[in-house]
Amino acid sequence: EAQVTQNPRYLITVTGKKLTVTCSQNMNHEYMSWYRQDPGLGLRQIYYSMNVEVTDKGDVPEGYKVSRKEKRNFPLILESPSPNQTSLYFCASSAQTSGERDTQYFGPGTRLTVL
Amino acid sequence: GEDVEQSLFLSVREGDSSVINCTYTDSSSTYLYWYKQEPGAGLQLLTYIFSNMDMKQDQRLTVLLNKKDKHLSLRIADTQTGDSAIYFCAEIVQTGANNLFFGTGTRLTVIP
Repeated sequence: EAQVTQNPRYLITVTGKKLTVTCSQNMNHEYMSWYRQDPGLGLRQIYYSMNVEVTDKGDVPEGYKVSRKEKRNFPLILESPSPNQTSLYFCASSAQTSGERDTQYFGPGTRLTVL
Repeated sequence: GEDVEQSLFLSVREGDSSVINCTYTDSSSTYLYWYKQEPGAGLQLLTYIFSNMDMKQDQRLTVLLNKKDKHLSLRIADTQTGDSAIYFCAEIVQTGANNLFFGTGTRLTVIP
């Protein structure tokens, strides 16, 4: 089954304690992206990657890091989490082409709380 | 980023039609999408429209695009309680990357 998986689904942590949220897709997609969802703000892009070893900042990259060492994985790293990073995080992937094949497939989300 | 706006809430009675509206600012949008998010779930692609189209119909869903006014709408006919969810419009601006810009989302509540 084609899917995007994220782990963990729920995480409560404390300020300053490094954490990683993993994202994996099994569709051989070139493009992967991380979003955060906050009430009244919709989804905002954090980072994206157009292929292995190619990453770029989205609209709200501060406080986050990513890596793309393999095509299927795109982990989101918070080196020193702060309470304003409490949010719902989504990973997405798509084929990097023009047209309807660009449809982005979303993971189930990771709800992060930073105390 | 691009500016995509939606009203935050909409309530309709079961069986009525729902119309969810969206405005965007970037005239170079290529594809415009509607995603549905049910409580506790991820985003599910509902439908999309290419920017050179005015209308697209898919069963109970009708998408209308007014490119001149940069206005997109999603009409759900015969709205059911299972349609209660948050609906996001999103656009792709062809900059070389497949980046989606989302609206704030409209929470649709269907009253039985």
